[in-house]
Amino acid sequence: AQTVTQSQPEMSVQEAETVTLSCTYDTSESNYYLFWYKQPPSRQMILVIRQEAYKQQNATENRFSVNFQKAAKSFSLKISDSQLGDTAMYFCAFMTPGGSQGNLIFGKGTKLSVKP
Amino acid sequence: DAGVTQSPTHLIKTRGQQVTLRCSPKSGHDTVSWYQQALGQGPQFIFQYYEEEERQRGNFPDRFSGHQFPNYSSELNVNALLLGDSALYLCASSPFGRVQPQHFGDGTRLSIL
Repeated sequence: AQTVTQSQPEMSVQEAETVTLSCTYDTSESNYYLFWYKQPPSRQMILVIRQEAYKQQNATENRFSVNFQKAAKSFSLKISDSQLGDTAMYFCAFMTPGGSQGNLIFGKGTKLSVKP
Repeated sequence: DAGVTQSPTHLIKTRGQQVTLRCSPKSGHDTVSWYQQALGQGPQFIFQYYEEEERQRGNFPDRFSGHQFPNYSSELNVNALLLGDSALYLCASSPFGRVQPQHFGDGTRLSIL
């Protein structure tokens, strides 16, 4: 069974600084997708970034980038120039593709606080 | 372009009662998934519907059931409610057969007294 582990329950960072959130996963699949979702207090789960396992290049989305280490089964999220609006729960998620896309397997999350 | 909408926002029930939660998918999406998010935890997959049929199911008892309508909207039903069913219930939608990230609604907060 696939599992996703986020070992940092809480983290804090000063505004404008850089922070890295860790995620490891376990799977025997070779084709899969990894995601980082953000959940602010408003509750809606918002996609931050995605990574296809077959791509060697790390995904980037503006201030957000990942460090994908397939052999180590590691998928960390780096947030540059942190902003107050980045304060939220961050969830790492795993999915195997399929006819119905399968389902997302989430980690327990990391609570990120950005301080002014 | 309307996103995923869920109703109600918040619901309070007592043990033993039954509840129905509703979800309308994002325009253009035909697959609906339901997740349970307990306080302080990540979401857990309940089941997924496509073409009005349950396609996949997570590790949840039969008390949890669902339905999908021809317009792709979906309902989640929970019978014989337990205190442990208190959680945020999230609905997510996606287009079938295409690897697209799931889009989530704001969730329904269910409290069991």
